[in-house]
Amino acid sequence: AQTVTQSQPEMSVQEAETVTLSCTYDTSESDYYLFWYKQPPSRQMILVIRQEAYKQQNATENRFSVNFQKAAKSFSLKISDSQLGDAAMYFCAYRSFKETSGSRLTFGEGTQLTVNP
Amino acid sequence: DTGVSQDPRHKITKRGQNVTFRCDPISEHNRLYWYRQTLGQGPEFLTYFQNEAQLEKSRLLSDRFSAERPKGSFSTLEIQRTEQGDSAMYLCASSLASVAGELFFGEGSRLTVL
Repeated sequence: AQTVTQSQPEMSVQEAETVTLSCTYDTSESDYYLFWYKQPPSRQMILVIRQEAYKQQNATENRFSVNFQKAAKSFSLKISDSQLGDAAMYFCAYRSFKETSGSRLTFGEGTQLTVNP
Repeated sequence: DTGVSQDPRHKITKRGQNVTFRCDPISEHNRLYWYRQTLGQGPEFLTYFQNEAQLEKSRLLSDRFSAERPKGSFSTLEIQRTEQGDSAMYLCASSLASVAGELFFGEGSRLTVL
């Protein structure tokens, strides 16, 4: 079974600064997807960024980018130019490439990000 | 609003009572998922449907839990004889039936069992 670990329960960053959230995972599969989801207080979870394991290039979405290290099974999220609206719980998630998995996600424990003005 | 909607948003019940949650997915999505999230933890998979067929159930889904998706559209999650340990946020998500299909989540239904 796959597991996802986020070792930072809380992080804080100053507005306009850069912060990196860590995630490691364990799997025996070679093909899979990795995701970062954002869950603002009392709001639904939304997808921030995703990475296909077969792609060597790190995914980027505007101010959000990842550092995907497949051999190390590490998948960190970098938020540049942090904004107050980035404050939320961030979850790292894994999904198997196998169709039999039904696209279900395995989540980490989450990192609560605070953005200080 | 064409997103995933869940009802009720918050339910308070006494131990031993039955509760039912409803999820309306995005209309063109044929996969629907239920997750449970306890305070300070990440969501845990409970079950998923493709159309009306329930294809997988987690071992977390005890006999007191039942989920249905009768016509492949909305889904219900019923918890019978609730226990205090059932207190959690129940999240619904939907997606298209492809490996690459992005999951879209609802805002969740929070259950408090007294």
